[in-house]
Amino acid sequence: AQTVTQSQPEMSVQEAETVTLSCTYDTSESDYYLFWYKQPPSRQMILVIRQEAYKQQNATENRFSVNFQKAAKSFSLKISDSQLGDAAMYFCASLMNYGGSQGNLIFGKGTKLSVKP
Amino acid sequence: ETGVTQTPRHLVMGMTNKKSLKCEQHLGHNAMYWYKQSAKKPLELMFVYNFKEQTENNSVPSRFSPECPNSSHLFLHLHTLQPEDSALYLCASRPSYLGGTTEAFFGQGTRLTVV
Repeated sequence: AQTVTQSQPEMSVQEAETVTLSCTYDTSESDYYLFWYKQPPSRQMILVIRQEAYKQQNATENRFSVNFQKAAKSFSLKISDSQLGDAAMYFCASLMNYGGSQGNLIFGKGTKLSVKP
Repeated sequence: ETGVTQTPRHLVMGMTNKKSLKCEQHLGHNAMYWYKQSAKKPLELMFVYNFKEQTENNSVPSRFSPECPNSSHLFLHLHTLQPEDSALYLCASRPSYLGGTTEAFFGQGTRLTVV
């Protein structure tokens, strides 16, 4: 079964500092994609960053980067120089690739990030 | 703006009412999803449509009835709901092609309250 686990229900960071959100996943597949989505109070789910499992290089998008440890099935999100606008729920998600046909997008329970001025 | 539009944004309905949620996208995507987001619960996948065909029904009660008349529109018909069905209902879409790397695009959700 495909599962995604976020063990931190809430996190807090001081503005301009760095915070890391944890995510682990479980799958027997070798080909898959991992995502971090952000959901601000407006409830709009927004893609933050994406990682293809076959790529060894960690994905980076401006202040957002991931630490992808395939053997450990770990996919953490690092937010550098945190800004007030980063305050939101963050969801980790996985999507399996079954030999060309794709499975469903499965989400973790989310981590609520607060940013202190 | 993600290109996925959900209406209405808010809905209050009685347990005996019948209502429908609508989702629309003109992104050329062929896979569309309904998710339920309740407080203190993870996002629950409800239904999946690929090329207008339902490919997943995640043990959803029959009081929820999806409809996908074409690849651009997805509906969720509601009838005789229970108060515990109150939640945010999110629609998502993504390309559905073999071997592609894809992310889902989400609508802003419909906040449903059953009274």
